[in-house]
Amino acid sequence: NAGVTQTPKFRILKIGQSMTLQCAQDMNHNYMYWYRQDPGMGLKLIYYSVGAGITDKGEVPNGYNVSRSTTEDFPLRLELAAPSQTSVYFCASSYTGRTEAFFGQGTRLTVV
Amino acid sequence: GNSVTQMEGPVTLSEEAFLTINCTYTATGYPSLFWYVQYPGEGLQLLLKATKADDKGSNKGFEATYRKETTSFHLEKGSVQVSDSAVYFCALSPNTNAGKSTFGDGTTLTVKP
Repeated sequence: NAGVTQTPKFRILKIGQSMTLQCAQDMNHNYMYWYRQDPGMGLKLIYYSVGAGITDKGEVPNGYNVSRSTTEDFPLRLELAAPSQTSVYFCASSYTGRTEAFFGQGTRLTVV
Repeated sequence: GNSVTQMEGPVTLSEEAFLTINCTYTATGYPSLFWYVQYPGEGLQLLLKATKADDKGSNKGFEATYRKETTSFHLEKGSVQVSDSAVYFCALSPNTNAGKSTFGDGTTLTVKP
């Protein structure tokens, strides 16, 4: 059982480049989330989805976009990368909005 | 809005010492409460949870009790081990099923032999 799978694990981007962080879950969870974790800090919610075709903004959505065309996949798109987007990105999923979240291993992104 | 306040770290203990990490929350109604643990280089994983007042969550020797009257969910362990060194996050999920969990800032625990 793979759980939540994120790719890539590491990436270095130049300022202004774009990329997509991939996230897939095989638990048939309705809810999926993207968080960022800055060094020594907690998690900040970027975007979340309560089901296929439905997405909503979290605390820090600026500079990011998401889509949810299937239950399994929830990619995060970074447009025009900026140094402020250097962070570790975690994808997570949960069965409902009240149940525990399952996290991927994270993507460490550096923008130079 | 909802919020979670955790005891600031870092916390450094000797092996076999008693651990308490304080967590208090602000939320309407009866949220679900969680403790997650993050080992170096990994994602968060659920340590324990409680879904209603006076529930006690427990796992791997860790315990936390959902205290509605003090809006707290303190994490405790009677005897820590070096392998417990990690970052611990307190979190809540609101009772509205809206899917917007709130996490504390995390507490780094280092256990020395």
